[in-house]
Amino acid sequence: GNSVTQMEGPVTLSEEAFLTINCTYTATGYPSLFWYVQYPGEGLQLLLKATKADDKGSNKGFEATYRKETTSFHLEKGSVQVSDSAVYFCALSDRGSGQNFVFGPGTRLSVLP
Amino acid sequence: DAGVTQSPTHLIKTRGQHVTLRCSPISGHKSVSWYQQVLGQGPQFIFQYYEKEERGRGNFPDRFSARQFPNYSSELNVNALLLGDSALYLCASSLAPGGQVGELFFGEGSRLTVL
Repeated sequence: GNSVTQMEGPVTLSEEAFLTINCTYTATGYPSLFWYVQYPGEGLQLLLKATKADDKGSNKGFEATYRKETTSFHLEKGSVQVSDSAVYFCALSDRGSGQNFVFGPGTRLSVLP
Repeated sequence: DAGVTQSPTHLIKTRGQHVTLRCSPISGHKSVSWYQQVLGQGPQFIFQYYEKEERGRGNFPDRFSARQFPNYSSELNVNALLLGDSALYLCASSLAPGGQVGELFFGEGSRLTVL
């Protein structure tokens, strides 16, 4: 079945540091890939998405590129802010398998001033 | 515009009891999905409904059931509650099933504690 693997957290960075959160996936079909973010006490919000190989999703300074050859969708940001502190979830949606969204376990990011 | 709304936001039950959670999707969205998020883990897919029909079911026991109403709102029911059912239950809506439009819109969840 489909699955998503993320790097273990928590990740603690200083403000303005570079962020990478690794995500790899296993899918039987041709999935769309997503990053969702969950701020404390809130529901999940879509951060960015990519629907086919080599697509780059971007939003709020975050980027991720759909790499089919390495089955990866790593999240990056060049300069994090304290307000980026949250839990980040990598997810896939594979219409071919009829599944709904499959989420990774999440990576907690803490950014210190 | 109103987002996905869920009720109640918090509730406490004891083992063996039954619970009903409610969800209203974004206006115009016909697909509703339910997810269980145990503390420290990612959301796990429970059900998806589209046009009042079940379109998908995750790996959850028969104690879990759901339905969708003509106005596209939805209920999740859990019978014979166990301690392990304690979690944040998230409802998500989308325009079409299977994430075809590419995005789920989540509510803030109903936090269930089973004692």
